[in-house]
Formats: sequence, structure tokens, C-alpha cells
Amino acid sequence: GAVVSQHPSRVICKSGTSVKIECRSLDFQATTMFWYRQFPKQSLMLMATSNEGSKATYEQGVEKDKFLINHASLTLSTLTVTSAHPEDSSFYICSARYGADTEAFFGQGTRLTVV
Amino acid sequence: AQKITQTQPGMFVQEKEAVTLDCTYDTSDQSYGLFWYKQPSSGEMIFLIYQGSYDEQNATEGRYSLNFQKARKSANLVISASQLGDSAMYFCAMRDEIRGGNTPLVFGKGTRLSVIA
Repeated sequence: GAVVSQHPSRVICKSGTSVKIECRSLDFQATTMFWYRQFPKQSLMLMATSNEGSKATYEQGVEKDKFLINHASLTLSTLTVTSAHPEDSSFYICSARYGADTEAFFGQGTRLTVV
Repeated sequence: AQKITQTQPGMFVQEKEAVTLDCTYDTSDQSYGLFWYKQPSSGEMIFLIYQGSYDEQNATEGRYSLNFQKARKSANLVISASQLGDSAMYFCAMRDEIRGGNTPLVFGKGTRLSVIA
């Protein structure tokens, strides 16, 4: 089946630094990818929709200048958490689908800890 | 707007028994899809089963079946012959199917299933 690869799986960074998370579709082209955030013991909340070759669409309450999304190719979307703060510590996970009537495939997720 | 409700924060089931995880939904979409995902402690999201709103038969995938009652707007997951490896968080989700690939999943709050030996 289709595979979505996310990297890194875990990252610890200092407060004030930036972290980049990559999401790749390995065997299909994804014009659209989705980024979710999951706080401990909570559900997945959509942060933004990443569209290849155009600007991402952010959900209400998500700061687009803090969470920079770049979807430069049909197989890669990146999420950069800029000037990270401890409250940004969370599990970030991307997903994509390669056609109609298919399930969404998820990356492995990235556990971000800001210290 | 779409909304998924999972009212069971946690469930326990004896090994080899069947268990039903509840899910109700609300949407104004005419065509939608319903999903169940399993999330073990590692965090990965494992697709289990899909039901389209126009599918008349309940979906089944191995030990998983989806009890779809459209009039009641419910899409319960039934796991038969529970195994210890089934212990995980389970999320019900839905998606508008009209707008094609540009629609995200909306998730419920999840149910933590614990299988007891």
C-alpha cells in the first residue's frame, strides 16, 4: 500500500529555535497533504492543509507565521515550527491520500519536545 | 460542519471476546466516508476500516466490522476475538467525499481499549 514517511520521529530543541519536519509520499504523488497536532491523551486536530505549488490553508487559531508549511514538490511537504516554545511540545503527524475512495495514509509522526 | 462523538473514554475487554466501540457523527454532507484508525503507544495511525455513506452493506475487514446505521448516524466498530495486541487508542473519523482529495479527516476524541488476558 501507499507509504508516507515522516522525519524525524523525535526531536528535542531549545526554546527559541526552529525545527523542520518532513513528510514524504514514497510511492505516490500527493497534491494535498494534511498536518495534524495531537496533545497528550487528546485527539488529532487539523492544523493546516498543504497544497503543492500554492499557499497552505491554516485552520482557525493556528499561526501561519509560526508554523510554516512548504509543499514544493508532489512528494514532499515540510512543517517548520519557528521560534519554538515549550507549549509547542506535541505530536505532529502528516497524512496524504493518493486517490478518491482511499483511506488517508499517515506518517509515523514526530514527537517534538521544546525545552 | 462535521462532528464525531466517541462517548467511551476507555473500554476493557477479555481476550477472545468481542467488543463494540461507539461512534456517532453529525454532518450536512450528502456523501461522506467513515473511518476507524488504531493508534498504539508508538503514535502511528493504523487504518482499520472504511464505510462510504452510500454503501448499503456494513464494511468488514478480518476481525473488524463496522455497524453502520445511517438513520441513527452511528458507525460503531466491532472487534471480534480480541487479542492482547488490540490494546490501543481507537479513533473514529469522517471525511466529506464530494470535494475529492482536498478534504481532511475529522476525528473523534478516541476510545482507549485495554484487552485483559
